[in-house]
Amino acid sequence: QVQLVESGGGVVQPGGSLRLSCAASGFTFTTFAMHWVRQAPGKGLEWVAFIRYDGSNTYYADSVKGRFTISRDNSKDTLHLQMNNLGPEDTAVYFCAKDGVGFGEFGNWGQGTLVTVSS
Amino acid sequence: QSALTQPRSVSGSPGQSVTISCTGASSAFGDYNYVSWYQHHPGKAPKLIIYDVSKRPSGVPDRFSGSKSGNTASLTISGLQADDEADYHCCSYAGSWVFGGGTKLTVL
Repeated sequence: QVQLVESGGGVVQPGGSLRLSCAASGFTFTTFAMHWVRQAPGKGLEWVAFIRYDGSNTYYADSVKGRFTISRDNSKDTLHLQMNNLGPEDTAVYFCAKDGVGFGEFGNWGQGTLVTVSS
Repeated sequence: QSALTQPRSVSGSPGQSVTISCTGASSAFGDYNYVSWYQHHPGKAPKLIIYDVSKRPSGVPDRFSGSKSGNTASLTISGLQADDEADYHCCSYAGSWVFGGGTKLTVL
């Protein structure tokens, strides 16, 4: 079955950087677009970034544009999120999600990794 | 793209039905019918339960149903069970993805 396992979360100081990873298994990674979605404490979900199945196109939420970079290594079935210039507003659980079979939905999710931005 | 508004909480007794609304400006949904719903037990992976407004993924029981009228999408859960107690999130794609604030369902 589909498995998505995030890693790389932790505590980082404001202005710092962090790189998240998501190991995918149970499906043909190279044929699906992927996303990062986050949930700040006590808040709803927020879509963060999208990458096409072949990495040729990426899109970002305005809140992270210019600071975050989504990428994928199709040879290792792994998704990444490079986060730079982090601020307290980036504190959240970060989920990776696989595109669905329809259009516009997130078909499968990981359990998430917590990122805390604090001095 | 505008935000989506959900009630903060709803509740119901086992066996009853509950409906969770998801309201936005017309721009929140655009001309598309790409509304999806997710069940999230805290600490676990969110789960897709409805996509394209009313379609159910394989394995999701037909107690879960979705609909949309005008600027409001709705999720109805019938025959409530204890395990349905979770957070529910709506999402719309209209050029970008936007979520509602989430609704906590309590099964009394």
